[in-house]
Amino acid sequence: AQKVTQAQTEISVVEKEDVTLDCVYETRDTTYYLFWYKQPPSGELVFLIRRNSFDEQNEISGRYSWNFQKSTSSFNFTITASQVVDSAVYFCALIFSNTGNQFYFGTGTSLTVIP
Amino acid sequence: DTGVSQDPRHKITKRGQNVTFRCDPISEHNRLYWYRQTLGQGPEFLTYFQNEAQLEKSRLLSDRFSAERPKGSFSTLEIQRTEQGDSAMYLCASSSGTSGRAFQETQYFGPGTRLLVL
Repeated sequence: AQKVTQAQTEISVVEKEDVTLDCVYETRDTTYYLFWYKQPPSGELVFLIRRNSFDEQNEISGRYSWNFQKSTSSFNFTITASQVVDSAVYFCALIFSNTGNQFYFGTGTSLTVIP
Repeated sequence: DTGVSQDPRHKITKRGQNVTFRCDPISEHNRLYWYRQTLGQGPEFLTYFQNEAQLEKSRLLSDRFSAERPKGSFSTLEIQRTEQGDSAMYLCASSSGTSGRAFQETQYFGPGTRLLVL
């Protein structure tokens, strides 16, 4: 069963627009971590953020912000004032406490920022 | 650069041949993971080491696949008798191993080895 859903396969925005990438997850565990990774064309997954299930505070880091809502099982990612360098595939991932050695990744959202 | 490194970055082979990939984790990271990523999909877990011990293997890891981490540092992933369905990006990740539980740690990924089986 799919545990992480990224319904947006591809998104295109014009530079300087804001964009939100959606992530919905499924778990019965009370203890888990959620992650976002960026995969640029070079292929390397770049860690962006980690959030544990007990911390629902939203977080902002520069142009990036994350909205974690347990009530809707969502962990959405917003890029403000997008730039061409933001073009990449973005993955949301989930790791459970009882199977803590492996990620469950979504299928990714390909973001293209048009200059 | 002290990140995770993988070698080779690209590999083209003929069906039936054996291939071996290498992963060097971040120095002093005790935990090492292998993932496979096919086009348009997120990475899928293959196997996990803590130091030299292989603690977990996915059902995706068929008998043709074997992974080792002999001295608890670098790891190798070998695929025997390759098939066209093995074509994918093979990603390695490592984490520090300082937390009590693996899930509490952030995994840092290498650039991957892209395999094409003809």
